[in-house]
Order: sequence, then structure tokens, then C-alpha cells
Amino acid sequence: GAVVSQHPSWVICKSGTSVKIECRSLDFQATTMFWYRQFPKQSLMLMATSNEGSKATYEQGVEKDKFLINHASLTLSTLTVTSAHPEDSSFYICSARDPAWGYTFGSGTRLTVV
Amino acid sequence: GENVEQHPSTLSVQEGDSAVIKCTYSDSASNYFPWYKQELGKRPQLIIDIRSNVGEKKDQRIAVTLNKTAKHFSLHITETQPEDSAVYFCAASKPPLSAQKLVFGQGTRLTINP
Repeated sequence: GAVVSQHPSWVICKSGTSVKIECRSLDFQATTMFWYRQFPKQSLMLMATSNEGSKATYEQGVEKDKFLINHASLTLSTLTVTSAHPEDSSFYICSARDPAWGYTFGSGTRLTVV
Repeated sequence: GENVEQHPSTLSVQEGDSAVIKCTYSDSASNYFPWYKQELGKRPQLIIDIRSNVGEKKDQRIAVTLNKTAKHFSLHITETQPEDSAVYFCAASKPPLSAQKLVFGQGTRLTINP
């Protein structure tokens, strides 16, 4: 089946620093990838849709200058949390859709900002 | 935009009994309805999905039913086992599937009591 690889799986950073999360489709090309955030015991909330070669589409209420998304190739999308604060601590998950296998999720990144 | 409501938020059943989780959606254009199982700290795993041209789909102990008129769909798990304990999410998406986001329900924490 389709595989989406996400790194790192967990990261701890200091307030004010930036953190980059990578999402790769390993055996298929993804012109569109999706970034979700999940707080404890809550559902997955879409943050933005990453479009290869063009600007990302952000959901209402998501700060595009704080959550920078780059989708420079058909297999890689990155999410950079800039000037991270403790309230940004969450589980971030990417997703991509393979035509044969449907939506596939990365393994997620647990971000802790101290 | 699409809104997906999921009930119940928690469900506890005896091992061997059946479990039913229900979701409603708001956008009549939605035509793809997957169900995901998520264990603590892990990525959501697709367990079954259904498209709007089908009313029911079954895969061993798991089945999904769709009522397009009423805009609701349900997950049925029969002969439940302890390993079925997890959080289950329904989702909805509309065409084109390659570029459309998944909108998730709030999740149901299913506990199977031995």
C-alpha cells in the first residue's frame, strides 16, 4: 500500500525557536498533501492543504506566517512552526492521497514547546 | 463548508457484542466516507470506506452503511474483541478526491470490556 513517511516523530524545542516537520510520499506522487493538528483527546483538525509548486491553502484561523508550508516536489511537503510557543504543542500529522489506496497518514510528530 | 457530527463520544460494550457509531454530514456534495481507527499516539488507520454510489459495504466484522438522503453513515463492528478498543473517526470528502480535504468527526472512544 501507499506509504507516507513523516519526520521527526517527536521533537522538543524552546519557546521562540522554529521547528521543521517533513512529510514524504514514498511510493507515489502527491500533488496535494494535507497537514492536520490533533490536541489530546480531540479530533484531527485540518490546518492547511499543501499544493506542489504553488502556495498552500490555509484553513480559517490558521496563521500562514506562523505555520509555513513548502511543497517543492511531488513527494515532499514541509511544515515549519515558526517562533513556537507552548500552546503550539500538539500532534501534527500529514496526509496524502494515493489513487489506489486512498488517504494515507504519516506517523505524526509530537511537538513539545518548553 | 462541510461539517461532520459523530456520536457517541464514548462507547463501552461487552466483548462479543456489537458496536455502532453514527455520523452525519452537512454537504450533499460529499461522496466519500472513510472510517479510521486510531490507537494512542499513532496515526489513523483506514478500516473501511464507502462511496456515495453504494449503500452498504462489509469487510469481515466491519460494515458501513450510508443513507444519502438523510446524510448519515454508520460503522458497525460485530463480535467485538479487546483489540477493537481505540478511537474511531468518521470523515467525509467531496470530489475531486485527489485534491479535497477530509473533514473529520469528533471521534468515538470505544472500549471493549472482556
